[in-house]
Amino acid sequence: SQQGEEDPQALSIQEGENATMNCSYKTSINNLQWYRQNSGRGLVHLILIRSNEREKHSGRLRVTLDTSKKSSSLLITASRAADTASYFCATDYDQGAQKLVFGQGTRLTINP
Amino acid sequence: EPEVTQTPSHQVTQMGQEVILRCVPISNHLYFYWYRQILGQKVEFLVSFYNNEISEKSEIFDDQFSVERPDGSNFTLKIRSTKLEDSAMYFCASSGGLPETQYFGPGTRLLVL
Repeated sequence: SQQGEEDPQALSIQEGENATMNCSYKTSINNLQWYRQNSGRGLVHLILIRSNEREKHSGRLRVTLDTSKKSSSLLITASRAADTASYFCATDYDQGAQKLVFGQGTRLTINP
Repeated sequence: EPEVTQTPSHQVTQMGQEVILRCVPISNHLYFYWYRQILGQKVEFLVSFYNNEISEKSEIFDDQFSVERPDGSNFTLKIRSTKLEDSAMYFCASSGGLPETQYFGPGTRLLVL
């Protein structure tokens, strides 16, 4: 079944360093989206990348998509303590399909 | 900036009771969704709604669940007879089209005792 899986499951780095999180999925997708969730809070949309795109930037965020490997990565540059959160990739598949399939998430901790 | 809102933020109920979770999607959006997240687990899709009817639902969304858009702004999820395993964070989301970004609300944390 279609599934997004992130790795690593947990990542701890020093403030100012870059953080890279990866997501893999199993079937062809329409789009892939990255969300952030602060502990016990709502999901904040970060970026959407379409299946015909290879890279997108938004501020300190850089997302890549490799459809041949069925994988995506999220890079956060110059990390800040406020970036501490869980990060999820979510995929939708098949033209017209609506549901997002979420991965387990990467728990990112930025140490001051 | 427009956002999805949800009420209540927390709800505690007794097993077997009915609960209604409320959402106000972004005003010009056409597609509405409910997801849930059991503590420590993935976010799971429940149902999508378009043009006043369910367009897709998951296996989780059984006869105990129903959704409604009673007026032009609210979107509700009803659980008729809650079970312990319904305890979770419930998220409403909306999007302006397909395929587009789904914007999520802050969630309702439901605890069934």
